[in-house]
Amino acid sequence: GAGVSQSPSNKVTEKGKDVELRCDPISGHTALYWYRQRLGQGLEFLIYFQGNSAPDKSGLPSDRFSAERTGESVSTLTIQRTQQEDSAVYLCASSWLAGAGELFFGEGSRLTVL
Amino acid sequence: SQQGEEDPQALSIQEGENATMNCSYKTSINNLQWYRQNSGRGLVHLILIRSNEREKHSGRLRVTLDTSKKSSSLLITASRAADTASYFCATAHPASYGKLTFGQGTILTVHP
Repeated sequence: GAGVSQSPSNKVTEKGKDVELRCDPISGHTALYWYRQRLGQGLEFLIYFQGNSAPDKSGLPSDRFSAERTGESVSTLTIQRTQQEDSAVYLCASSWLAGAGELFFGEGSRLTVL
Repeated sequence: SQQGEEDPQALSIQEGENATMNCSYKTSINNLQWYRQNSGRGLVHLILIRSNEREKHSGRLRVTLDTSKKSSSLLITASRAADTASYFCATAHPASYGKLTFGQGTILTVHP
């Protein structure tokens, strides 16, 4: 596709349920990032993938959060046993090479945990 | 923390005026980037300045970098109502060059 695609755009779930968020990066981009943005706040780094290297998971807030990426394609961010404080917009971005230049962002997945 | 801090948190100006936003960071960096976010949307890259550069221009944007003070500024000249958005700086540390961390942002409002 022409840009980074995220789905769903909106997700409402009940506390305790698991959710999966999907990100389709720009074709050819080897790096993929996940960020969390709470209302009115800045972006909080969660994880990034670079090619087939081990991902940098240093920003994942707890073991309820995990992310996978197969090769240089789609990534899924999974939040298990969701809590109300997980409510936020989850932004995905990709770049042709981590650290080499600009990130291209998707429109985000807005998660609301009731 | 590597995260940048923008200043001011909010800025309100009239169309035609210049807008200046500042970013400070805590450790050495590989490069510094500025992004723009319209309300409820994804971020859009504006400009990247490398650690060995002092100033960079792109259209109505001018970015400066002072590595001795660990600070950067973004100047938007002749602002327009369409420039209303949040602006974020992002830094990449040389030791973890792929990990781009963002500040809290400056909310810019340009009144017509």
